[in-house]
Amino acid sequence: DQQVKQNSPSLSVQEGRISILNCDYTNSMFDYFLWYKKYPAEGPTFLISISSIKDKNEDGRFTVFLNKSAKHLSLHIVPSQPGDSAVYFCAAQRDAGKSTFGDGTTLTVKP
Amino acid sequence: EAQVTQNPRYLITVTGKKLTVTCSQNMNHEYMSWYRQDPGLGLRQIYYSMNVEVTDKGDVPEGYKVSRKEKRNFPLILESPSPNQTSLYFCASKTLQGTQYFGPGTRLTVL
Repeated sequence: DQQVKQNSPSLSVQEGRISILNCDYTNSMFDYFLWYKKYPAEGPTFLISISSIKDKNEDGRFTVFLNKSAKHLSLHIVPSQPGDSAVYFCAAQRDAGKSTFGDGTTLTVKP
Repeated sequence: EAQVTQNPRYLITVTGKKLTVTCSQNMNHEYMSWYRQDPGLGLRQIYYSMNVEVTDKGDVPEGYKVSRKEKRNFPLILESPSPNQTSLYFCASKTLQGTQYFGPGTRLTVL
């Protein structure tokens, strides 16, 4: 039973346009959600997070939206840049403990 | 510099030969964890530790052992490695609030 799903294995976007990465979860007990970014040959790095008491969190070009009723979150990158090309992992956790990750979405931003 | 270190970065071994992958963090984090990343399967948690002498199974613990005798170290032990444990392994640590810091990864090949 996969509790966190990223249904799009890959996404290709033109530079300057918006990238939207999606993530669905099944466990309503999750109370904290995070996005990580991973370049080849490196470990994932934290990008942005959101608590379940909020529906939006913004940090520069990155915005995460949370729809609790739909158990869905999304990451918006505006404008997209070639350096954003990476694998993006969605993660969910409860009670500040164990994290559950999605399978990742490979984003390619074309110049 | 705040970091998580792993050693070795690359390892090729044979079936049944015991090995240990070390992990160390310098951020005084309570929580540490091991993940494996396989193509199409994202990051799957092997074991985690909420504090010294406290460890628990993640999603894929079979064939692995861990120990947490000191706060900064969390080694991953494969007593009798098998080819299905060929993977990319990441150690991570975090504050209890949830943002994980990942190590650079260890690529293990079991022949």
